[in-house]
Amino acid sequence: GAVVSQHPSRVICKSGTSVKIECRSLDFQATTMFWYRQFPKKSLMLMATSNEGSKATYEQGVEKDKFLINHASLTLSTLTVTSAHPEDSSFYICSARDYFQGYTFGSGTRLTVV
Amino acid sequence: RKEVEQDPGPFNVPEGATVAFNCTYSNSASQSFFWYRQDCRKEPKLLMSVYSSGNEDGRFTAQLNRASQYISLLIRDSKLSDSATYLCVVLGSQGNLIFGKGTKLSVKP
Repeated sequence: GAVVSQHPSRVICKSGTSVKIECRSLDFQATTMFWYRQFPKKSLMLMATSNEGSKATYEQGVEKDKFLINHASLTLSTLTVTSAHPEDSSFYICSARDYFQGYTFGSGTRLTVV
Repeated sequence: RKEVEQDPGPFNVPEGATVAFNCTYSNSASQSFFWYRQDCRKEPKLLMSVYSSGNEDGRFTAQLNRASQYISLLIRDSKLSDSATYLCVVLGSQGNLIFGKGTKLSVKP
């Protein structure tokens, strides 16, 4: 089946630094990638939708200058959390949509900002 | 009203019990519905899609009531390995998945 590789799985960074999270579709082309965030005991919330080769569409309340999304190829999308703050600590997860496979999730990245 | 609402639980049941989860959604135009399972600190995994006529997969039965905008999941003969959080999911108009908060199930020996 379709596989999405997401890394790092866990990262701890200092306040003010930037962190890049990568999601790769390993055996299919992901024309659309969704980025979600999940706080403890909360539901997964869509942050943005990215289509290969175009700018990402951000959900209301998500700062596009803080959460930079790049979807430069059909197999790679990245989310960069810039100038991270402790309140950005969360579980970030990507999901790729493939016409045949449906939705495939990455394994998630647990970000802790200290 | 939230787009997808679920009882957060937790549901604590003994092995072998039957347990039912309910979910309501706000957008009457929604067309596709799913149940996902999420283990602690893991990504969600598709458990089953929900079809209008209701569908069954082994011990799991999903039902949809469009008139009431209500989705259910029934688990029969609960196993210890069923312990997880069950997410009610609706397909959004942008092609994204809209998740409920999840219902936590704990199956005890």
